[in-house]
Amino acid sequence: NAGVTQTPKFRILKIGQSMTLQCTQDMNHNYMYWYRQDPGMGLKLIYYSVGAGITDKGEVPNGYNVSRSTTEDFPLRLELAAPSQTSVYFCASSYFKDRVNTEAFFGQGTRLTVV
Amino acid sequence: AQSVTQLGSHVSVSEGALVLLRCNYSSSVPPYLFWYVQYPNQGLQLLLKYTSAATLVKGINGFEAEFKKSETSFHLTKPSAHMSDAAEYFCAVSRSGGYQKVTFGTGTKLQVIP
Repeated sequence: NAGVTQTPKFRILKIGQSMTLQCTQDMNHNYMYWYRQDPGMGLKLIYYSVGAGITDKGEVPNGYNVSRSTTEDFPLRLELAAPSQTSVYFCASSYFKDRVNTEAFFGQGTRLTVV
Repeated sequence: AQSVTQLGSHVSVSEGALVLLRCNYSSSVPPYLFWYVQYPNQGLQLLLKYTSAATLVKGINGFEAEFKKSETSFHLTKPSAHMSDAAEYFCAVSRSGGYQKVTFGTGTKLQVIP
């Protein structure tokens, strides 16, 4: 059971480049999330999805886009990379039904540097 | 709005000593509260969660936390620190149990001194 898998683990981008961070889960979870983690700042929610075809903005969505065409996959797109997007990105998933939620399972993270 | 405050970005304890990591929350409605642990270069792992059942919650690796409404606190404790407990710990709060509304604290790095 792989859980939540993120790729790549590390990436260096030049300013203005684009890239997609991949996230897939094999637990049939309906909820998926993208967070960014900056030193001393905790975790900030970028986008989340409550099911295939449904996405919504989190706390810090500017500069990012997401899609959820399948239950398993939730890619995060950076269109025009900026130095402010240098961060560690975490994908997570959980199963939510009838006001009951499982624990959130996190991927190993993607460390992104924009230069 | 909901929020959590973790007191102390770095905490050092001796091996075998009590671990106490502090978390205070703010929520206009009864909260769900969580503690996560993050080991170096890894994702976050749930230690324990409070969802309005017992106020003393036991988690993995010997950790526990007590929900105190009067103090709006949810401090994490472990009676005896082990070297393997060295990690970063995050407190988090949610209003509905849905993780899209989870707000994380800024984290506390625990150092265990041999």
